[in-house]
Amino acid sequence: GQQLNQSPQSMFIQEGEDVSMNCTSSSIFNTWLWYKQDPGEGPVLLIALYKAGELTSNGRLTAQFGITRKDSFLNISASIPSDVGIYFCAGQLHSGGSNYKLTFGKGTLLTVNP
Amino acid sequence: DVKVTQSSRYLVKRTGEKVFLECVQDMDHENMFWYRQDPGLGLRLIYFSYDVKMKEKGDIPEGYSVSREKKERFSLILESASTNQTSMYLCATLSSTDTQYFGPGTRLTVL
Repeated sequence: GQQLNQSPQSMFIQEGEDVSMNCTSSSIFNTWLWYKQDPGEGPVLLIALYKAGELTSNGRLTAQFGITRKDSFLNISASIPSDVGIYFCAGQLHSGGSNYKLTFGKGTLLTVNP
Repeated sequence: DVKVTQSSRYLVKRTGEKVFLECVQDMDHENMFWYRQDPGLGLRLIYFSYDVKMKEKGDIPEGYSVSREKKERFSLILESASTNQTSMYLCATLSSTDTQYFGPGTRLTVL
């Protein structure tokens, strides 16, 4: 299946810093999703975006659905140690019928130094 | 809150054994999915189901089968486990807002 281009692959930052990561695709999507995964756990949904241009916040997290429908970014402000984990983007194009396939980025590993 | 549970968090099996991974959701969602996650390869879709007794192959169905006898339960079956099926297996369900929610995962080791 197709993969999204997610960058950066990893980030090492100091507590309190802001973080930005993004995903780009050659295909358009109807939905962009951002997940966080802790070691040994399943991905947990952070933010869901359903409309081109949409900007949505969830606490210190902000994500945007790109106007072209081919990209999305996630920002984390004032990072804290518990932000550590792998962040995944996922794009979904519901092409009718039963096809709800998600395409995933390979993840951004975030390390926060206290 | 959407709740997706998986029958085991950790599982160790031997080569050739038949393995069942169970996933249960309590939200009456029609669509359910099985993924495997491997370092460097990300999440890959094995199978999904859009209704009871209905299933479709994902990107890597070889060596796997699935069963959806009841709406809330979606089972992944490894007919004859092999070492290259050692992986993290994740079940997900699709909400009415087209959002996938994941279970906690099952880490399967095949010896």
